[in-house]
Amino acid sequence: NAGVTQTPKFRVLKTGQSMTLLCAQDMNHEYMYWYRQDPGMGLRLIHYSVGEGTTAKGEVPDGYNVSRLKKQNFLLGLESAAPSQTSVYFCASSRRALNTEAFFGQGTRLTVV
Amino acid sequence: AQKVTQAQTEISVVEKEDVTLDCVYETRDTTYYLFWYKQPPSGELVFLIRRNSFDEQNEISGRYSWNFQKSTSSFNFTITASQVVDSAVYFCALRGYSGAGSYQLTFGKGTKLSVIP
Repeated sequence: NAGVTQTPKFRVLKTGQSMTLLCAQDMNHEYMYWYRQDPGMGLRLIHYSVGEGTTAKGEVPDGYNVSRLKKQNFLLGLESAAPSQTSVYFCASSRRALNTEAFFGQGTRLTVV
Repeated sequence: AQKVTQAQTEISVVEKEDVTLDCVYETRDTTYYLFWYKQPPSGELVFLIRRNSFDEQNEISGRYSWNFQKSTSSFNFTITASQVVDSAVYFCALRGYSGAGSYQLTFGKGTKLSVIP
């Protein structure tokens, strides 16, 4: 059982380049999340999805887009990367029920130069 | 809107000391859940515990204990007889209703605990 898998684990981008981070979960979870972790800022929610075909904005959505075409996948896109998007990105998934914990991927370290 | 505050940015203790990590939250919901996660130096996030808003009983698991007080909106985490392996960043989180029929999971900024041998 792989849980939550993020691809890639590391990436260096030049300013203005685009890329997509892939998150895949095999637990049949309804909810999926993308967070970014920066020093002193904790985990901040970028976007989340409550089911296939639905997405919603989190706390820091600007500069990112997401898609959830399949229940098991949640994609995070950066259309034109900026140095301010240098961060560690975490994907998570959970069941719909309020009392369930989230399961996290191993993180993607993205550097924009 | 919901909010989680972990006022302690970094704490250092000597091995075998007890340490308490503070967590204060804000929400308008009457039903919600609180969580603690651990992030060791390897970077993954590990779930530790959940507590619902109607259960104020303290919980103990080995050297870990949690104190939930609804009157002060706090959910504090105590490690007894700390060990070097406890060195990590600890996150408190709140899951509550965010509107439009969905739940949102909000994290505090984390407390970095360093246990010195």
